[in-house]
Amino acid sequence: GAGVSQSPSNKVTEKGKDVELRCDPISGHTALYWYRQSLGQGLEFLIYFQGNSAPDKSGLPSDRFSAERTGGSVSTLTIQRTQQEDSAVYLCASSSQGLNEAFFGQGTRLTVV
Amino acid sequence: QKEVEQNSGPLSVPEGAIASLNCTYSDRGSQSFFWYRQYSGKSPELIMSIYSNGDKEDGRFTAQLNKASQYVSLLIRDSQPSDSATYLCAVTGGSYIPTFGRGTSLIVHP
Repeated sequence: GAGVSQSPSNKVTEKGKDVELRCDPISGHTALYWYRQSLGQGLEFLIYFQGNSAPDKSGLPSDRFSAERTGGSVSTLTIQRTQQEDSAVYLCASSSQGLNEAFFGQGTRLTVV
Repeated sequence: QKEVEQNSGPLSVPEGAIASLNCTYSDRGSQSFFWYRQYSGKSPELIMSIYSNGDKEDGRFTAQLNKASQYVSLLIRDSQPSDSATYLCAVTGGSYIPTFGRGTSLIVHP
């Protein structure tokens, strides 16, 4: 595809349920990032992938959050036992190399009710 | 703690004027610098990148970088109402992770 694709665009889930968010980066991009943006707030870094490995997962807020990347391409962010404070827009970005330009997907708006 | 600071604004300019957006960063090892535009309810869109000291022009946009002062700016010439958005400064260094400022809200009024 031409750009970064995220799915679903919107997700409403009940508190305590698990959710999976998907990111399909630009073809050939080795670096992939997950960020979170709460309403009216800045971008909060969650995790960085280089290929299939995650050199930096320091931004994950708790052990309820995990992410993986397979085949150097698609990444999945999983949130277990969702809480209301997890409600935010989850953004994925990819880059051809770590110092190069990063391009964002359209985001997944997660609402925990 | 690597920090990127921006004035939250709002910065209000009349249509046709030059809008000047500023950003400072704390990590002297930073190597790549970016400006993103984010419309309300949308994801950030890359508009400029700059890697070396000096100016870089692209259409109505000029990015300026001064590594000695740890300062990067974005000038928007002939501002249009459609430029009204939040502008995010991002900086990348040895960690290869873009660190974002909180953004400056720009309002261009007719």
